Amino acid sequence: KQEVTQIPAALSVPEGENLVLNCSFTDSAIYNLQWFRQDPGKGLTSLLLIQSSQREQTSGRLNASLDKSSGRSTLYIAASQPGDSATYLCAVRPSSDYKLSFGAGTTVTVRA
Amino acid sequence: DTAVSQTPKYLVTQMGNDKSIKCEQNLGHDTMYWYKQDSKKFLKIMFSYNNKELIINETVPNRFSPKSPDKAHLNLHINSLELGDSAVYFCASSQDSAGGRRQEQFFGPGTRLTVL
Repeated sequence: KQEVTQIPAALSVPEGENLVLNCSFTDSAIYNLQWFRQDPGKGLTSLLLIQSSQREQTSGRLNASLDKSSGRSTLYIAASQPGDSATYLCAVRPSSDYKLSFGAGTTVTVRA
Repeated sequence: DTAVSQTPKYLVTQMGNDKSIKCEQNLGHDTMYWYKQDSKKFLKIMFSYNNKELIINETVPNRFSPKSPDKAHLNLHINSLELGDSAVYFCASSQDSAGGRRQEQFFGPGTRLTVL
């Protein structure tokens, strides 16, 4: 059974600092890994999707890396802004089916 | 234009009642999902339909029954509601099983269900 862990559970940084969010998973037989953002009381917004054959994906200030063999992904957010405050979730899709297994999330607060 | 929409946004009801949550996507996707997010914020898959066919049916009570009248809609009906059913229910969709970027899942805004 796939287990997804996100550390730390919460993070508070001053504006302008770079953010590093970690995601680890136990079963390396994945099809893809997706990073989401969830604002309080809102749905999930997809940020980046990395296929199992890729090492990283970039979108604007966001960069996600994937090391499948060690079961890790890292989301980097450059030059953080107060608007980046949210909970960030990673989710892993196995090779064998459609199910996404989610981590519990990292709640980020960027202080102005 | 909302890509994945759910109604209602909030649902407050008494134990024992039957209720439905509706989901619609206008993305032309083939696959739709229902997830439950509990009070500890863990998201868990409940069901998935691909082209109106059930493909994922996790271990949920059979009081929960999904219904997909067409590819763009996936509704969730819950019978005999219990206190433990209180949670946020999210609908999501993705393109198809062919892989690549089309596997990306898009989520609706959620329905917060409170059972009293």
